[in-house]
Amino acid sequence: QKEVEQNSGPLSVPEGAIASLNCTYSDRGSQSFFWYRQYSGKSPELIMSIYSNGDKEDGRFTAQLNKASQYVSLLIRDSQPSDSATYLCAVRRSYIPTFGRGTSLIVHP
Amino acid sequence: DAGVIQSPRHEVTEMGQEVTLRCKPISGHNSLFWYRQTMMRGLELLIYFNNNVPIDDSGMPEDRFSAKMPNASFSTLKIQPSEPRDSAVYFCASSLAGKDEKLFFGSGTQLSVL
Repeated sequence: QKEVEQNSGPLSVPEGAIASLNCTYSDRGSQSFFWYRQYSGKSPELIMSIYSNGDKEDGRFTAQLNKASQYVSLLIRDSQPSDSATYLCAVRRSYIPTFGRGTSLIVHP
Repeated sequence: DAGVIQSPRHEVTEMGQEVTLRCKPISGHNSLFWYRQTMMRGLELLIYFNNNVPIDDSGMPEDRFSAKMPNASFSTLKIQPSEPRDSAVYFCASSLAGKDEKLFFGSGTQLSVL
């Protein structure tokens, strides 16, 4: 079982809708959780980090963490075509982040 | 800062040849990571350096792969001899060790081994 699991998608949503991306992890000792966005042919870039249970909001993005369920999610409100990308969930323990394979998001006009 | 700088951006080589990938981390960062990305396996950690010292190389596939970090501003990943299954995008990333551990990625090297 891979340590960080994501549905590969693609997840297709209409412009203006809420996109919900999910991630589960297996290591209960994980300490930090990240969402990276990767456009096709580009490198990953950090969009959100979360360290404690609950919600964290930054603009149109909300990260949610539930350590008991070993579950992390990313909500993107008012989705735009420019949000179309692959979203990578990363989980850190002992200074080394482990990445999921990513979920492809398509926002259609 | 210019960010993490990787070279070359693209490398095409023939099976059996030596390949050297280069990385300059962000100034002041003390952690450096080499990752490999493929469609099949996603983003996999190859090796992690902290303060120029290799801490975890458990992801290095086999003896054909080696990595060095002779100083805080330079790292190399070498494949010798290269094989077609090594074809992938290789990313270098750096961070400042501490609570956040946010990674900053270079542009990557697209390696094709024919």
